[in-house]
Amino acid sequence: EVQLLESGGGLVQSGGSLRLSCAASGFIFSTYTMTWVRQAPGMGLEWVSSIRGSGDSTFYADSVKGRFTISRDNSKNTLYLQMNSLRAEDTALYYCATISSGWGQGTLVIVTS
Amino acid sequence: DIVMTQTPLSSPVTLGQPASISCRSSQSLVHSDGNTYLNWLQQRPGQPPRLLIYKSSNRFSGVPDRFSGSGAGTDFTLKISRVEAEDVGVYYCMQATQFPYTFGQGTKLEIK
Repeated sequence: EVQLLESGGGLVQSGGSLRLSCAASGFIFSTYTMTWVRQAPGMGLEWVSSIRGSGDSTFYADSVKGRFTISRDNSKNTLYLQMNSLRAEDTALYYCATISSGWGQGTLVIVTS
Repeated sequence: DIVMTQTPLSSPVTLGQPASISCRSSQSLVHSDGNTYLNWLQQRPGQPPRLLIYKSSNRFSGVPDRFSGSGAGTDFTLKISRVEAEDVGVYYCMQATQFPYTFGQGTKLEIK
């Protein structure tokens, strides 16, 4: 069974940085494209970023390009999202997902101005 | 970007009755590998999203068989054969054929 556990969320001031982690288990991590999706309070789902299994290709939403960096450590079965230059509009629950088989519980990021 | 449009946005349903949600994409979701990467997600109140259907019509592990997905190209449908109380929540379609992945606005399923 796919299990994904996010961590690293918290309260940060505008302009600050956070690094999210997602520990994966129950599947062959290195063979899956991994994705971050966020959900602002009371809103719908927004794709943020994805990374291929080997880590050689990354993709970003225009809203985070140049500020966020997705990465993975296949030896640790862990996905990361480095978030810099945070803005109030980045406030959301951030989910880690395989898209085709499982979603995590989410970690909350609150950016104060 | 591919725009995903869901209808209706709200669906009051009587327990035991069927429900249907439509999702239309602004362009074909057929990938160059021949697959159609259209997923349906359920989000119960206060819960994370849960995968129900992947590649348009494949029920994910553990999903009750009252849920079914159909469609091809640009038109897709999620059907619940007999709505139960635990089905209350918001349903999203999403496409993973092309980056950026995109989601429908969500359809709120509630009990009459």
